[in-house]
Amino acid sequence: AQSVTQLDSHVSVSEGTPVLLRCNYSSSYSPSLFWYVQHPNKGLQLLLKYTSAATLVKGINGFEAEFKKSETSFHLTKPSAHMSDAAEYFCVVSAPGGAKLVFGAGTILRVKS
Amino acid sequence: NAGVTQTPKFRVLKTGQSMTLLCAQDMNHEYMYWYRQDPGMGLRLIHYSVGEGTTAKGEVPDGYNVSRLKKQNFLLGLESAAPSQTSVYFCASSTLWRGGYEQYFGPGTRLTVT
Repeated sequence: AQSVTQLDSHVSVSEGTPVLLRCNYSSSYSPSLFWYVQHPNKGLQLLLKYTSAATLVKGINGFEAEFKKSETSFHLTKPSAHMSDAAEYFCVVSAPGGAKLVFGAGTILRVKS
Repeated sequence: NAGVTQTPKFRVLKTGQSMTLLCAQDMNHEYMYWYRQDPGMGLRLIHYSVGEGTTAKGEVPDGYNVSRLKKQNFLLGLESAAPSQTSVYFCASSTLWRGGYEQYFGPGTRLTVT
């Protein structure tokens, strides 16, 4: 079975400073991993996805995530936060070839001006 | 290409009333899903479908029923609404990509049961 733990329920950063949202996963197999973003009162948008091809994954809006098998982590980073990045972020895992996703509880990112 | 759409966007029900949420996708995806989102709990899978005429239970199926009579539509029904079903409901669809399934989400339906 797969599971995801997002280590911080809330993260607050100043505009222009780096963003780090932490995610650990548990999977019996080499998983598929995703980060989704949800802006207030909106649906979910895919930020990036991990295949087995490359451990550093680049997504939209300057975000990237690194798959570290030894640490079972898939942390999301961005070098410089923008006010528009304020949203809730979900780390998601599925078994390879599996159609069902398992969501983390979410991390709310606040960006201060 | 509208992607995934949901009807209605908002609804208020009284305890015991019934309703149906409609999800439609125009991407010819095989898989469709219904989730509920509650604060601090992420999204939890209610039911899903792997194709027309098939459905399966997810993590929290009790109190809900679904049907997939057409490939592009996935209906979620509440036969007797309860306050515990107050939530935001999201529909999603997916297709296979290089060993995994990327899901596309609708805008959500905010349901309040009083």
